[in-house]
Amino acid sequence: AQRVTQPEKLLSVFKGAPVELKCNYSYSGSPELFWYVQYSRQRLQLLLRHISRESIKGFTADLNKGETSFHLKKPFAQEEDSAMYYCALSARVYSGAGSYQLTFGKGTKLSVIP
Amino acid sequence: DSGVTQTPKHLITATGQRVTLRCSPRSGDLSVYWYQQSLDQGLQFLIQYYNGEERAKGNILERFSAQQFPDLHSELNLSSLELGDSALYFCASSVAVNTGELFFGEGSRLTVL
Repeated sequence: AQRVTQPEKLLSVFKGAPVELKCNYSYSGSPELFWYVQYSRQRLQLLLRHISRESIKGFTADLNKGETSFHLKKPFAQEEDSAMYYCALSARVYSGAGSYQLTFGKGTKLSVIP
Repeated sequence: DSGVTQTPKHLITATGQRVTLRCSPRSGDLSVYWYQQSLDQGLQFLIQYYNGEERAKGNILERFSAQQFPDLHSELNLSSLELGDSALYFCASSVAVNTGELFFGEGSRLTVL
């Protein structure tokens, strides 16, 4: 079964400092990974996905299959980056008619100190 | 607002009772997912429907059931409630089944006393 691990429950950084939110996964197949974010009083929303290799709001994430990691990085943290971040893995499931299941890590709360 | 809508936002009930949570997906989305979020467990996948058909089951208890109706809205039924069922229940929707891009509702907070 697939698993997503985010080792840090809370990460505090100063404004302007680099940020790295860690995510490790275990999955026997070819993984598809995502980062979701939940800002205060807002709903959970997709931040980025590894397939598109994009940078959103200055964040990037590289899939490292050798280390089974998908860490989220930003060179200079901003106060508005303070939020809850969830790493997620999409994996094929064969229960029922079959589909893809998105498995989430427990999340890391990022706090950017002014 | 054409996003995912969930009702009720808050619900307080007693042990042993039964509740129904409702979800309307985003316009055009055929797939609906239910997740449970508790403090210690994080977001746990419960069940997924696509165009009225159950497609995947996660850690959903036998006391819980769900369905998706012809108009694509979905209901999650929780029965014989226990204190441990207190959690935030999220609904999400997507266009297809083979995507990790989900659109979430604001959640229904259930408190069992």
